[in-house]
Parts: sequence; structure tokens; C-alpha cells
Amino acid sequence: EVQLVQSGAEVKKPGESLKISCKGTGYSFTNYWITWVRQMPGKGLEWMGIIYPGDSDTRYNPSFQGQVTISADKSINTAYLQWSSLKASDTAMYYCATSIVTRDYWGQGTLVTVSS
Amino acid sequence: DVVMTQSPLSLPVTLGQPASISCRSSQSLAYSDGNTYLNWFQQRPGQSPRRLIYKVSNRDSGVPDRFSGSGSGTDFTLKISRVEAEDVGVYYCMQGTHWPRTFGQGTKVEIK
Repeated sequence: EVQLVQSGAEVKKPGESLKISCKGTGYSFTNYWITWVRQMPGKGLEWMGIIYPGDSDTRYNPSFQGQVTISADKSINTAYLQWSSLKASDTAMYYCATSIVTRDYWGQGTLVTVSS
Repeated sequence: DVVMTQSPLSLPVTLGQPASISCRSSQSLAYSDGNTYLNWFQQRPGQSPRRLIYKVSNRDSGVPDRFSGSGSGTDFTLKISRVEAEDVGVYYCMQGTHWPRTFGQGTKVEIK
């Protein structure tokens, strides 16, 4: 069974760093792109970027470029989304997702709360 | 960026009746490989999104056949032939032709 399992909710202060994860199981992790999507409280979906774990080819939405870093460790089938200095406006639910032929799979989401 | 504009943003529907959501893109979504990369997603309350339709009209595995997608170029439609209670949620279109990928604002479907 294909699954994307994300790391747990985080509560951070402005200026702190953070790395959240998305572990893929049940499929060939290196062969399918992983997308990261942001959903701010009560708002819609925003496409942040995408990574191909096989060679770490990464594409960013310019709106997020420089604000976050997307990476992957294919040895442990895990993709990451990280911040070096969080802002209150980073408070949101973050989803990872992948598409395999006629199905897509989403993680359960990681809620990040940034508050002083 | 390609702007995706959905209408309506709120759609009250009667159980068993049809529903239709429009999605328009600011640029053609036809790609040079002959495909048009327009997807539809459903997000039920409190759940992760899930894709319903890919490449305009292809239903994802496990998606009921009451959902259908159509359109071309810049104009696309998601139809639900007979709305059921489990269809309540927010529906998003997303284009996968141009970088960065972009979503529509979302259409909230609720039961009257």
C-alpha cells in the first residue's frame, strides 16, 4: 500500500529553524516526483515546489524560492521541507503529495504554528 | 504565473441534483506533447486533498463515475451528475502545464 507519512505538528517561535519530513512507503520512492503544498488557515491550496528524489531535481514556485528549501534523502525514502528562519506568516498546514499513474497520494499534513 | 479562476466560489446544491464548477486559465493549458494538464481536486472537511480528475477528463482510480471533467484550452468544467452527501467540501482546479503549477481559489460545495 502506497503511503506518505508526514512528521508531527510543530510549534515554533519566529526566527527559529524547522525541517519537516514526508516518508514514502509501498512504492519506488526515487521514481516519482514529490510536491509540497501550503494551506494557510481557512485558505486555499498553494503549490510550493516539487522534487524528484532520484536525482534531487527541484523546482520552486518563485513565491517560495529563498523562503524554504526542499530536499530528499533517497536512502531513507524521505522528502523534506525546511525553513532557516520562520515567520508568523509561515503558520499553515503543509502537505506532501505524489502521483503514480492513475492515482495520487497525499500525506496527512503537518501543522506548523509560528508564534511568539 | 498562470491564474486559475473558478466560479462559483460557493455552490449550494440539493442532494441528487447535478452540480457544475467552471475553471478558466489565463493561458492555454495545451502542452507541446499534445496533452492538457488540468487536474481537479476535492478536499473534504478536515481531510487532505485528493485528486479526482487528471488531464482534463481522466478519473483517478476509485473516483465515482458521477464525477466528470471536460474542456480544452483555457476553459474547463467539473460536473457532478447527482450530488451525494459525501461530496461536500472544497473543489480546486490546478494546472500542470506551466511552471509554477497553480491552483484555483476553490469552490465550496454544500448541501442546501
